[in-house]
Amino acid sequence: DTGVSQDPRHKITKRGQNVTFRCDPISEHNRLYWYRQTLGQGPEFLTYFQNEAQLEKSRLLSDRFSAERPKGSFSTLEIQRTEQGDSAMYLCASTPGFLEGETQYFGPGTRLLVL
Amino acid sequence: QQQVKQSPQSLIVQKGGISIINCAYENTAFDYFPWYQQFPGKGPALLIAIRPDVSEKKEGRFTISFNKSAKQFSLHIMDSQPGDSATYFCAIKAAGNKLTFGGGTRVLVKP
Repeated sequence: DTGVSQDPRHKITKRGQNVTFRCDPISEHNRLYWYRQTLGQGPEFLTYFQNEAQLEKSRLLSDRFSAERPKGSFSTLEIQRTEQGDSAMYLCASTPGFLEGETQYFGPGTRLLVL
Repeated sequence: QQQVKQSPQSLIVQKGGISIINCAYENTAFDYFPWYQQFPGKGPALLIAIRPDVSEKKEGRFTISFNKSAKQFSLHIMDSQPGDSATYFCAIKAAGNKLTFGGGTRVLVKP
């Protein structure tokens, strides 16, 4: 399978704990996006990278959230001191990059439940 | 923040019927309007997309109609099948290629 992969698929944690998610984009895709989707809602943009550079962050991305893409390949999203409101599906998407309007290919998501 | 208003929230259609989902957006000029399909437990997958220089695009049983002056676009699913039962999201592309999604429409196709 050469699609976008995410790990883990499910994560249950207690409030106050830190969690880290990983996204592996499609090979050679330059742009990588993180979205958050709560139940019954559409995905909301969090941040995106072009290669290793983080080009934009949403106001949704509080200082408890940090994302990295150190070598321009896989990316990690870390949430520190989790809160119950962080419970959501975290989606990663990638595109080849540079050209506007290109299809974003989404991974299966990581579903986070904060108890 | 740019909003996309999607309606209806849910839709029940008989097999063979037509499903119609509408989206309206505000302000600024956007140049890419995709529709995504999402099944439970899966990430969204691109279904069909349109640019504003055309008023309609058809791919198989799926058609997008676009009204630039009204800032509205819609998805028509012809000959709806039970396998089309899913949640559909419209989206608009903002700068940097990030997508702003509508709230989603849950479609149920009854056999």
